[in-house]
Amino acid sequence: EDQVTQSPEALRLQEGESSSLNCSYTVSGLRGLFWYRQDPGKGPEFLFTLYSAGEEKEKERLKATLTKKESFLHITAPKPEDSATYLCAVQVSSGSARQLTFGSGTQLTVLP
Amino acid sequence: GAVVSQHPSRVICKSGTSVKIECRSLDFQATTMFWYRQFPKKSLMLMATSNEGSKATYEQGVEKDKFLINHASLTLSTLTVTSAHPEDSSFYICSAKYLAGVGYNEQFFGPGTRLTVL
Repeated sequence: EDQVTQSPEALRLQEGESSSLNCSYTVSGLRGLFWYRQDPGKGPEFLFTLYSAGEEKEKERLKATLTKKESFLHITAPKPEDSATYLCAVQVSSGSARQLTFGSGTQLTVLP
Repeated sequence: GAVVSQHPSRVICKSGTSVKIECRSLDFQATTMFWYRQFPKKSLMLMATSNEGSKATYEQGVEKDKFLINHASLTLSTLTVTSAHPEDSSFYICSAKYLAGVGYNEQFFGPGTRLTVL
């Protein structure tokens, strides 16, 4: 069974304090790993897709990396507006619809 | 680009009534749309996969007669919660996937619909 585990469940940072969120996965054939940001009462907002180990992608203060077992979302010098729940999801090679399996998320709070 | 809308954003209904939620891809065509359910402080649980012009595929444990899905066009899918009960109260989110080309694998999510059944 495909499994996605995110840690920590919650993270509180001071503004400017860099950190990383972890997403570890156990799947039979990874097609892609996705990072989303979700604000309270809103739908997830797409951030990144990673397809192969060693791949990295950046967007503003966020950088996502991928290994064969896990992905990290690095947040550099975060600001209060980065506060949100960050979700990772995997897509496996089998199946035609290519559903996503989500982790439980990391709730990030950045204090001013 | 890649904007997905949902309507309504919030609905309150009485137990026993049916509620329809619309999901539209505004600026792209989507052969496949997905319906998720999210409980407070929990992650997204896939309910069903909706394919344009064919029957939806439901995940294990999701009642297809309870949650009716119709995907009549490449830009519209609807979820109807029939004979809603308080336990159906939840946050329902849809997503859509590009037909083909760049971004083919990404899913883009709607803003969600908060359903409260009294």
